[in-house]
Amino acid sequence: GENVEQHPSTLSVQEGDSAVIKCTYSDSASNYFPWYKQELGKRPQLIIDIRSNVGEKKDQRIAVTLNKTAKHFSLHITETQPEDSAVYFCAGPGAAGNKLTFGGGTRVLVKP
Amino acid sequence: EPEVTQTPSHQVTQMGQEVILRCVPISNHLYFYWYRQILGQKVEFLVSFYNNEISEKSEIFDDQFSVERPDGSNFTLKIRSTKLEDSAMYFCASSPQGRNTEAFFGQGTRLTVV
Repeated sequence: GENVEQHPSTLSVQEGDSAVIKCTYSDSASNYFPWYKQELGKRPQLIIDIRSNVGEKKDQRIAVTLNKTAKHFSLHITETQPEDSAVYFCAGPGAAGNKLTFGGGTRVLVKP
Repeated sequence: EPEVTQTPSHQVTQMGQEVILRCVPISNHLYFYWYRQILGQKVEFLVSFYNNEISEKSEIFDDQFSVERPDGSNFTLKIRSTKLEDSAMYFCASSPQGRNTEAFFGQGTRLTVV
């Protein structure tokens, strides 16, 4: 089945700086890659996703890039703010089935 | 905005007891899921459900677990004989289609087995 690895596990940045989180996946047939943000004690919420027919997608301060050849995708947060502090999870569906396989998560701390 | 709702928000049960976690998926969604998250760890897939049957399940989803859609709106997860290691946050999710579509998560049920 799909295996999703996420790095780093923790990331501390100064407010205003950029944060980058990277995920690698194993199933070359995967074609949908969502990123979820989870605040303490709350549900995972989708913040951005990308499909394999594009290499990059942006939504205000958030962007995701996809390299299908290397089988990795990354989340970029620019101009970080304290409210960006949370745990971020990448996920991949794999070729078969509809489930999401989550990465291990990255705890992001934005220091004011 | 429609959302997935789960009840209860917190359930405390004694080891060996049966629990039923309840979910109401978004009304026009076709695919339903249960995930769990042990405190401080990643979200793990348990089971997916489509067209009134299980479409996929993980190794975690053993004979102690079952799912049901008893009516047109509810989707339940039953754990027959709870163990201490079943303590976790259980998230229900639904999606309008299967692959390549967003999964919407409920707010979760925190299960504590004592």
